[in-house]
Amino acid sequence: QVQLQESGPGLVNPSETLSLSCTVSGGSITSDYWSWIRQTPGSGLEWIGYISYSGRTNYHPSLKSRVTISADTSKNQFSLNLNSVTAADTAVYYCARLTIVGATSAFDYWGQGTLVTVSS
Amino acid sequence: SSDLTQDPAVSVALGQTVRITCQGDSLRSYYATWYQQKPGRAPLLVIYDKNNRPSGIPDRFSGSNSGNTASLTITGAQAEDEADYYCNCRDNNGNHWLFGGGTKLTVL
Repeated sequence: QVQLQESGPGLVNPSETLSLSCTVSGGSITSDYWSWIRQTPGSGLEWIGYISYSGRTNYHPSLKSRVTISADTSKNQFSLNLNSVTAADTAVYYCARLTIVGATSAFDYWGQGTLVTVSS
Repeated sequence: SSDLTQDPAVSVALGQTVRITCQGDSLRSYYATWYQQKPGRAPLLVIYDKNNRPSGIPDRFSGSNSGNTASLTITGAQAEDEADYYCNCRDNNGNHWLFGGGTKLTVL
């Protein structure tokens, strides 16, 4: 059973960088795709991006200029950096495994989520 | 358009059948996946591919696709099915992932 656990600060100052990590157990980040997804309070879900098993990254067009996703295979972790944050970036951030097979894809395992508030 | 559109809210009587729909151009090319989310919890995958359920998901959940519309059907809705349901799919270019706005299901 794959398990994911987010960690990082719950409060970030405006204009600074939001940094989160996701530790994976029961599976290896050297296979599949590893994503970040966020959910703003009372709103829906937004895919942020992923890092692949080979280290290739892919980001949501609206966030691409501010996002970096990286991986540490020695720790079986991947991370999210989102810079120049504003209050609009306040959300619950989830890490998730993305499985892609041809035309089919699914976020099949999720972390529990972590609330990040952007405020001074 | 690259958006996925869902009805904001749907209700169903206990034990009856309900269909939750998702519309978007990219559904003509890619299968939708469906997630159930209960308050304070992470989304849970319930349907993927044409109509497949992960282990542990009851068989009252099923999915279908036609043109630009994907549907999640719950046959014999139970009280525990009350939740928000989100559809998800790639965008038209297949490069990025989209989520619908979610449908709040109330079981009466």
